[in-house]
Amino acid sequence: EPEVTQTPSHQVTQMGQEVILRCVPISNHLYFYWYRQILGQKVEFLVSFYNNEISEKSEIFDDQFSVERPDGSNFTLKIRSTKLEDSAMYFCASTERRAYVEAFFGQGTRLTVV
Amino acid sequence: DQQVKQNSPSLSVQEGRISILNCDYTNSMFDYFLWYKKYPAEGPTFLISISSIKDKNEDGRFTVFLNKSAKHLSLHIVPSQPGDSAVYFCAASARNQFYFGTGTSLTVIP
Repeated sequence: EPEVTQTPSHQVTQMGQEVILRCVPISNHLYFYWYRQILGQKVEFLVSFYNNEISEKSEIFDDQFSVERPDGSNFTLKIRSTKLEDSAMYFCASTERRAYVEAFFGQGTRLTVV
Repeated sequence: DQQVKQNSPSLSVQEGRISILNCDYTNSMFDYFLWYKKYPAEGPTFLISISSIKDKNEDGRFTVFLNKSAKHLSLHIVPSQPGDSAVYFCAASARNQFYFGTGTSLTVIP
């Protein structure tokens, strides 16, 4: 069964460092998303991406964040200068179409900023 | 701005009984609703969905009910099994994003 894969599963980084979280969406999917979940809190939308550009982004997704689809398979989330409060589980998701479909989620990357 | 709300953070149900998880939303533009199940340290897994043009969708032990006038949906699990113990997230879709509730932790007691 096709699945969304994320690497690494766990990333520890020092405050102020840049991190790149990687995702390989399902191959025939066209819409890509990043979500995060701070421990004990809700799953929060960060950004959606379609046709090589951001479709929507939340207030969380400020100038420190960027997304890229560098090739035909990877979808990355970059945090330029990490803060302690960026520590969370980051989930990548993809959908085949925009509407009336479920999103398939990856297993997540646990980011710990120290 | 919490557009999707799950007001019960936890629920305990006896094995074999019905589990009812509730979700309320505020945005009338939502046109698709989903339930996800999440185990610790894993990504959410899609469970069942319903379009806004329907009021019920059933898949095995799982049934989702949608009451558009009340902006309310619920997930019924019958009969509940210990393996159903997980956090359940309600999600609503509009445009290019999914809005998630805060989750309800279901514990099914053997």
